[in-house]
Amino acid sequence: IQLTQSPSSLSASVGDRVTITCRASQGISSYLAWYQQKPGKAPKLLIYAASTLQSGVPSRFSGSGSGTDFTLTISSLQPEDFATYYCQQLNSYPKTFGQGTKVEIK
Amino acid sequence: EVQLVESGGGLVQPGGSLRLSCAASGFTFSSYSMNWVRQAPGKGLEWVSYISSSSSTIYYADSVKGRFTISRDNAKNSLYLQMNSLRDEDTAVYYCARDLRRAAFDIWGQGTMVTVSS
Repeated sequence: IQLTQSPSSLSASVGDRVTITCRASQGISSYLAWYQQKPGKAPKLLIYAASTLQSGVPSRFSGSGSGTDFTLTISSLQPEDFATYYCQQLNSYPKTFGQGTKVEIK
Repeated sequence: EVQLVESGGGLVQPGGSLRLSCAASGFTFSSYSMNWVRQAPGKGLEWVSYISSSSSTIYYADSVKGRFTISRDNAKNSLYLQMNSLRDEDTAVYYCARDLRRAAFDIWGQGTMVTVSS
């Protein structure tokens, strides 16, 4: 199963609403997770089961979608949110990742 | 504190071997499946291998099948990745990650760097 994220990168300002999409090459129900990765650090789980917020993750992060089309939304971008975001399908092995979306400061 | 700590990375020549370890603490290691995920310099995440809690089920990415072997020792709370016949394209940071079945990889180690170069 291939995952295609868009955009590959984006520039945004603090306070902006940011949306990242992830499209699967075949249906994966809601078996999708989102991760945040900062330079030199391990990925951090943000959302699982497409829309469930991981404990401790700020509520400005939200996820939606099912089947083949998914969205990660940051409602009001904060300075600490500048990072690369990855989606991952967990429907079947290999549990593939999207290519990543780099969120940069405008 | 729930924690995963990788070790064993380093510089190795093409065709060489390396064994990575991942030490788990703060949770019942024997109850969880585990994975290895790697990230080449400047690139995205690539899933490498999976092992179930009892070692009864194992999967590999096509890119490493036949060269890498995943294993675990539940008595030692440890996960391993034996890497043989290493290639330049295996150069990456290798992470171990706890598997929440079809939900997510919820806990990740800090990673260990493997460099394959002559």
